Amino acid sequence: DQQVKQNSPSLSVQEGRISILNCDYTNSMFDYFLWYKKYPAEGPTFLISISSIKDKNEDGRFTVFLNKSAKHLSLHIVPSQPGDSAVYFCAASELKLIFGQGTTLQVKP
Amino acid sequence: KAGVTQTPRYLIKTRGQQVTLSCSPISGHRSVSWYQQTPGQGLQFLFEYFSETQRNKGNFPGRFSGRQFSNSRSEMNVSTLELGDSALYLCASSLAAGGPDTQYFGPGTRLTVL
Repeated sequence: DQQVKQNSPSLSVQEGRISILNCDYTNSMFDYFLWYKKYPAEGPTFLISISSIKDKNEDGRFTVFLNKSAKHLSLHIVPSQPGDSAVYFCAASELKLIFGQGTTLQVKP
Repeated sequence: KAGVTQTPRYLIKTRGQQVTLSCSPISGHRSVSWYQQTPGQGLQFLFEYFSETQRNKGNFPGRFSGRQFSNSRSEMNVSTLELGDSALYLCASSLAAGGPDTQYFGPGTRLTVL
């Protein structure tokens, strides 16, 4: 049973535009959510996180939104850059991290 | 500060063999978690160790085991390898165990089972 789902396996956007990556979860006990970025042949690197008591967190070009009633979070990247092309994983925390399947983002120049 | 290191980076084994993977966490980190990544499945949690004790375990068969040493280095072992065990195995370290503490990942060990 997949408790954290990323329903879009891939996303393609133009450089300078907004990238929106989505993540849904089923367990209302999750208290913390994180986004990781992964380049080929490297391990995931932490990008941004949000506590369940907040609905938005910003860090430069990256903003994460949390909608607890819909059990949905999203990552916005504005403006998107070619170097952002990678696989993005969302993760939820409940004693351990549970990851989604990942979304491959391609930013075209 | 050096990051998380994993050895070996690549490994090829045949069915029925066993394999041991190693992970050295960031200095000062006492928690080490292991994950299996396969295409379309994301990162599946294997187990977490903190202060040499297994704190949490995922839904993997008993062929997958691990341990942690007093210096926080960790090893995971897979016995009686199956073709489906081919995957990228990632370890991550953090200061504390369980919960939202940010985990820092190593580059992974790519295991291929023939």
